[in-house]
Amino acid sequence: EPEVTQTPSHQVTQMGQEVILRCVPISNHLYFYWYRQILGQKVEFLVSFYNNEISEKSEIFDDQFSVERPDGSNFTLKIRSTKLEDSAMYFCASSDDSGGLEQFFGPGTRLTVL
Amino acid sequence: AQKVTQAQTEISVVEKEDVTLDCVYETRDTTYYLFWYKQPPSGELVFLIRRNSFDEQNEISGRYSWNFQKSTSSFNFTITASQVVDSAVYFCALSEVLTSGTYKYIFGTGTRLKVLA
Repeated sequence: EPEVTQTPSHQVTQMGQEVILRCVPISNHLYFYWYRQILGQKVEFLVSFYNNEISEKSEIFDDQFSVERPDGSNFTLKIRSTKLEDSAMYFCASSDDSGGLEQFFGPGTRLTVL
Repeated sequence: AQKVTQAQTEISVVEKEDVTLDCVYETRDTTYYLFWYKQPPSGELVFLIRRNSFDEQNEISGRYSWNFQKSTSSFNFTITASQVVDSAVYFCALSEVLTSGTYKYIFGTGTRLKVLA
């Protein structure tokens, strides 16, 4: 069964460093998402991406964040200069032509900023 | 604003007990979807169920059952004869239509279920 994959599973970085979290969505999907879950808290929407551009973003998704679909398969989240408070689990999700109604989540990348 | 409330932060039960996890939601959308996810200690989100707002039929899947009541804006989840492997954090989620016409999910704060042997 097709699934969303994410790499790495765990990333440790120093404050101020740039990180790129990678996701491979399900191959025929059109809508892509990033969500964040700070440890012990709820999962929060960051950004949605469709037709090679951001369709919506939350107030969390500030100028430090960017997303890209550099080729036909990967979907990346870049954090330009990480802060301690960026430590969280980041989930990628993808959806087919339902407009995002049925989203399939990847296993997550746990980001630790020291 | 759209909102999902899971008032129970943590529940502990003894194995074989039944347990119900509550979920109350607020939405302005006329059509919406509700979801339950399980998050084991390994951290991934395991999809359990999706329910359309037009379908108020209760659903049963093995030891799991869901009770959707539109009149009270609730979508409760019951585990019958709980097992230690059911120990996890359970999230209720609600779809929200975005201005672009796509959807995002709004999650509740989760209920941590501990099933003791």
